[in-house]
Amino acid sequence: KNQVEQSPQSLIILEGKNCTLQCNYTVSPFSNLRWYKQDTGRGPVSLTIMTFSENTKSNGRYTATLDADTKQSSLHITASQLSDSASYICVVVPYGNKLVFGAGTILRVKS
Amino acid sequence: GAVVSQHPSRVICKSGTSVKIECRSLDFQATTMFWYRQFPKQSLMLMATSNEGSKATYEQGVEKDKFLINHASLTLSTLTVTSAHPEDSSFYICSATGRTDTQYFGPGTRLTVL
Repeated sequence: KNQVEQSPQSLIILEGKNCTLQCNYTVSPFSNLRWYKQDTGRGPVSLTIMTFSENTKSNGRYTATLDADTKQSSLHITASQLSDSASYICVVVPYGNKLVFGAGTILRVKS
Repeated sequence: GAVVSQHPSRVICKSGTSVKIECRSLDFQATTMFWYRQFPKQSLMLMATSNEGSKATYEQGVEKDKFLINHASLTLSTLTVTSAHPEDSSFYICSATGRTDTQYFGPGTRLTVL
């Protein structure tokens, strides 16, 4: 069964600190893996998209990594800001099939 | 580019009434649109997939007579929640794909049924 597991479930960090969110998946084969940011009461917004052959992708302070051998991905946020408070969702896209969503990690950045 | 809008952003209705939610692709033609439902602190759950001009494909457990989907044009899909009940209260999100399989999500519609 295609599954995407994210950890931690929630996280609180101080403004300016770095953090790393984890994503483990069983989806195979897959076309690409995506990280989305979802603010409360809003739709998900794409942060990074990686194909199965890519190891890392950056978007400003967000850096995603992918290890296809261990079926793990991570999202690293550097120099966190209050506006980074949101839910971060890992999504794996199988070939020609529906998106498989993780449950998300709720990040809260405190001042 | 690739902007998807939803209307309304929030709606409150009485139990037993029907509510229509619109999803529009503003700057691209959406061959396929998806409707998701999201309960608090949970991830998105796919309800149905619709292709322009054809009937929607519903996920298991989603009542097609209760959640009517119309994808009449390449830029507009509507979801109508018929005879809404309090348990239908949720956050409804649409997404759309164009030439590629990348899904662009709308901002969501918060439905509250009293």
